[in-house]
Amino acid sequence: NAGVTQTPKFQVLKTGQSMTLQCAQDMNHEYMSWYRQDPGMGLRLIHYSVGAGITDQGEVPNGYNVSRSTTEDFPLRLLSAAPSQTSVYFCASSRGGLGDTEAFFGQGTRLTVV
Amino acid sequence: AQRVTQPEKLLSVFKGAPVELKCNYSYSGSPELFWYVQYSRQRLQLLLRHISRESIKGFTADLNKGETSFHLKKPFAQEEDSAMYYCALRGNYGQNFVFGPGTRLSVLP
Repeated sequence: NAGVTQTPKFQVLKTGQSMTLQCAQDMNHEYMSWYRQDPGMGLRLIHYSVGAGITDQGEVPNGYNVSRSTTEDFPLRLLSAAPSQTSVYFCASSRGGLGDTEAFFGQGTRLTVV
Repeated sequence: AQRVTQPEKLLSVFKGAPVELKCNYSYSGSPELFWYVQYSRQRLQLLLRHISRESIKGFTADLNKGETSFHLKKPFAQEEDSAMYYCALRGNYGQNFVFGPGTRLSVLP
């Protein structure tokens, strides 16, 4: 029962570097999303996907790119890291459609940009 | 617009005391409301959802549409309840979860 798996758990980047945060789920969920968690601000939606090949922007998309080539994977790319992107990043997946459902979260990636 | 507010950043109570974590929302349609909990160094996990009207770990939450609130309550707090609690709503647009800023509950011995 892997659920939602994120890699890496920790990462330190220098300003201007690029990297990809990986997210995979094995529950065949249609919906996947990326959040960043900052003190006092809760979780803010970066990007989301409602299915393979479909992505859209959330509340704070600037500086990030996503793609969804398969149902299982939803990587988040930082194009040119900035100190303001220092945060804890969570990937989540959920079943699509209306009705009672819940979001399942990965264990998080703690990113520090120096 | 969808929005969730949690007015308390930190709530400290003594073991055995009642606890109430406040949550208010704004949403024009019919939302689904959830409480998520994050224990130290663990991932976020679902605590309860309004639609099932269940009690988990002694916690309950009632959706009050008139006051647009979904407060989380427990009559007798335990030390193991210390965690970060997030109220969330799931609306129709994009079916994404919108989270509040969170309340850190600290249960003192």
